[in-house]
Amino acid sequence: DAGVIQSPRHEVTEMGQEVTLRCKPISGHDYLFWYRQTMMRGLELLIYFNNNVPIDDSGMPEDRFSAKMPNASFSTLKIQPSEPRDSAVYFCASSLIHLEQYFGPGTRLTVT
Amino acid sequence: GEDVEQSLFLSVREGDSSVINCTYTDSSSTYLYWYKQEPGAGLQLLTYIFSNMDMKQDQRLTVLLNKKDKHLSLRIADTQTGDSAIYFCAELTSGYALNFGKGTSLLVTP
Repeated sequence: DAGVIQSPRHEVTEMGQEVTLRCKPISGHDYLFWYRQTMMRGLELLIYFNNNVPIDDSGMPEDRFSAKMPNASFSTLKIQPSEPRDSAVYFCASSLIHLEQYFGPGTRLTVT
Repeated sequence: GEDVEQSLFLSVREGDSSVINCTYTDSSSTYLYWYKQEPGAGLQLLTYIFSNMDMKQDQRLTVLLNKKDKHLSLRIADTQTGDSAIYFCAELTSGYALNFGKGTSLLVTP
């Protein structure tokens, strides 16, 4: 298996623009997690899904952030409108059972 | 959530053992993890331990768990330059999310 795939790997955008981050989990995994990594706050869980259903979105910063999982092989994290403080590395992770989370390479987002 | 605490930096000589320490927050955490992150890469799951165990060994890696003190450590035997990376301790919360420490940057010098 190719592992968790994320795209794009790097995104630079201007404040106010919409940003969409994409994730393809490992085939057969039924949990999908979105994390954000910053120097100040470290790694934070934003939201996770089980069998395509959002289970806990308490980590989503505000209404500008939304996540969807339309099917078992694809998820998106959208930020609209983006702000400079959203600059971070966004990781997607998946797991078959919740015990072993496998991370993608991340998307480095820079909002200017 | 509350903070999982780790020291920020550790430097060791190649061939020595490295010990990275972590204090976690939730005494009811069932699983505790060590992840490795190399520059520009994602997090690689190294190992994890169930809370009813006090030790787990996997090749050069040894995990020790002191549940009473909520203390977790990762020992890397015969540390190599390729082990230079950031190591994250994490606890599995009741909601299946991982609560990470800020990471320990390990530098291995020749």
